[in-house]
Order: sequence, then structure tokens, then C-alpha cells
Amino acid sequence: GAGVSQSPSNKVTEKGKDVELRCDPISGHTALYWYRQRLGQGLEFLIYFQGNSAPDKSGLPSDRFSAERTGESVSTLTIQRTQQEDSAVYLCASSPRGGGQQSSYNEQFFGPGTRLTVL
Amino acid sequence: GNSVTQMEGPVTLSEEAFLTINCTYTATGYPSLFWYVQYPGEGLQLLLKATKADDKGSNKGFEATYRKETTSFHLEKGSVQVSDSAVYFCALIRIQGAQKLVFGQGTRLTINP
Repeated sequence: GAGVSQSPSNKVTEKGKDVELRCDPISGHTALYWYRQRLGQGLEFLIYFQGNSAPDKSGLPSDRFSAERTGESVSTLTIQRTQQEDSAVYLCASSPRGGGQQSSYNEQFFGPGTRLTVL
Repeated sequence: GNSVTQMEGPVTLSEEAFLTINCTYTATGYPSLFWYVQYPGEGLQLLLKATKADDKGSNKGFEATYRKETTSFHLEKGSVQVSDSAVYFCALIRIQGAQKLVFGQGTRLTINP
């Protein structure tokens, strides 16, 4: 079956422009995560969706970042008024169930990422 | 807070060499520990995991043991192959809550024939 897909694979934009990054999770996966990886750094958590609600958005770096999800389907990460420090690879992952009071780990399956370059 | 520190790269080895990539962590409670791998041109994949102290995760000839006393989860392989060339990430989660992964910075491994 299809894995997690993300689009676009590459995005180059000018400072100050808005961008939208899309994630299509694996069908049936209720949990969805956004991470980003800046050059030379590890991946950092941005936001977690369970269904279409976001119980944990603690990783969003500023109010220029927002995300939404339609049901248990596609998610869009929007960055407004992009800055050069937003340049990174943005990764999306989905899992069959999210957190809460689970007693076991639910494996996260990652998409290929979107490489964002802000000039 | 929770954090992961792993061996800085890049690491370059010859085929059939022994591999160790060090990983240590700081966490409250009892995290689960993971190694993820990213092969060239591919997405992140789970390589192995361990969910409690003294557990050993293993896959594709790689092993890592959850050492609570040293807060470590070092990745080892006895004889590496060219196909093992990739970027390796150590990570942890707390099972409760959002299960968001906390990653190390990644180690790029290159195996020469």
C-alpha cells in the first residue's frame, strides 16, 4: 500500500512569502506528526494531530506557523511571512494510533519530506 | 526536558569493519528508545527499538541495548556493508502523551568497499 506522501518535494521561496506544505498520511492512520530538520541539527517536533484536533502543538516555533488536518486525512502546514531560519526539511509521519494513555509504542511512518529554502 | 545526544559524524569505515555509534539520553520517567535510519533518497525508517531497561533491540545485524544505568543506547554492528551507508538517528519517546519523538542530530555513515 501507499506510504506517507508529501508535496512539494522541494520549495524555494522568497523571504516574506507564505508557503503551504502538504502531507497525505497512510490511510486509516489516526495520528499525524510534523517535524523539521534544520541543517546540521536533529529532527525537532512541531505538532501532533489525533484525528483533526491538535492536542500538542508545543513545537511550533512561532505564530507564523500553523497547521490543520481534515478528518483523518491530509494535513497542511502553513508558514506565513517566511524567514531564512525557516529553511529546513519538513517531515510528516503518521501512525495507526497516537498517544494518550497507550501502553505501547505506535510506530510512526515517515514521508520523504519537503525541502524548504527561503532566500 | 528530554534530549538525545549522539556521536558526531561523519563516520567512514571499510566494509566488514565493526561499527559503534554512541547515543546517550536525558529523560524523565522511563522512555522508549529507537534507532531510525535514512538511506540516500529515502524516508526515515525505524531500524530497531527497546522499550525498557536491559532490552536489546536488533534488526538487519544491528543491535542496541537499553542501559538505564549509563542512560545509553549505543548502536553496534559486527560487520558493516556498503549498503549500510546512511544517516542514523537515535531517538526517544515517552509512551504516555503525544508519543512525539525526540531525536539526536544524526550520524552520517559511509562504508567504503
